[in-house]
Amino acid sequence: QMTQSPSSLSASVGDSVTITCRASQGITNWLAWYQQRPGIAPKLLIFAVSSLQSGVPSRFTGSASGTDFTLTISSLQPEDSATYFCQQTHNFPITFGQGTRLEIE
Amino acid sequence: QEQLVESGGGVVQPGRSLRLSCAASGFTFSSFGMHWVRHLPGKGLEWVAAISYDGNHKYYGDSVEGRITVSRDNSKNTLYLQMNSLRPEDTAVFYCAKDTQRNANSFHYMDVWGKGTTVTVSS
Repeated sequence: QMTQSPSSLSASVGDSVTITCRASQGITNWLAWYQQRPGIAPKLLIFAVSSLQSGVPSRFTGSASGTDFTLTISSLQPEDSATYFCQQTHNFPITFGQGTRLEIE
Repeated sequence: QEQLVESGGGVVQPGRSLRLSCAASGFTFSSFGMHWVRHLPGKGLEWVAAISYDGNHKYYGDSVEGRITVSRDNSKNTLYLQMNSLRPEDTAVFYCAKDTQRNANSFHYMDVWGKGTTVTVSS
C-alpha cells in the first residue's frame, strides 16, 4: 500500500514543491511517478525511483529514503498543473498512491 | 509512433457483461506485457490486470478478481478485458497501458497509455 501526501497543494510559477509516498513495506526501487492532466491519460515521469523518462524535463526529480519516496518539481511551470500519482511494482497487486492535485496559481 | 486505442465502453446495467478492446500500433505488441488501469470518478488510479507478452501469465487486482479476464491476440495486436457481473462501483475510465519490459514475465512501468474508454454501470 502506498500512502501519498499531500492530497492537494497550491504553488506559484517558479516555486518548488515536494510530494511524498510512503510504502507500507519495502519495495526496493520499484517506484514510479505519473502525471495526469484532466481528461488525459497518465504520463510516466520517473521510474526506478529516480530515472527520468525520455522527454520529461529535468525539473522533475525523484528520490528515496527507506520506504519514503519523493517527487520534487522545481521551477514550476503553468503546464505542471495536474494530479501526480506514485506507483509501486514490487509485487502484485500493483498499487498507486491516492494522488496529489497540484494547482499553479 | 506508439499508440493504444481503447474501445468497447458504454452504459451497462448491474450484473451485465462488457468486453473492452485495446488496439496497439507503432511497436511490436507481441513483445510487451500489457496492463489495464482504471480511473474511478472522484478517486485515483486503480490497477486492474496485467498480461505477459505471450499471454501465458495473468494477474488481477483484488477488487476485480473472479469477475474479469484479461486476454490478448498478438496476431491482431489487440488486448482485451472481459468484465462480468458488473457493479456500480466498476464505473470508471479504463485505460490500457504498455509495460516497459520486453519479452519477460515481469512487469515494471507503464510508458504508453491509451486515451481511455468510459464504462458506466447503472440501472
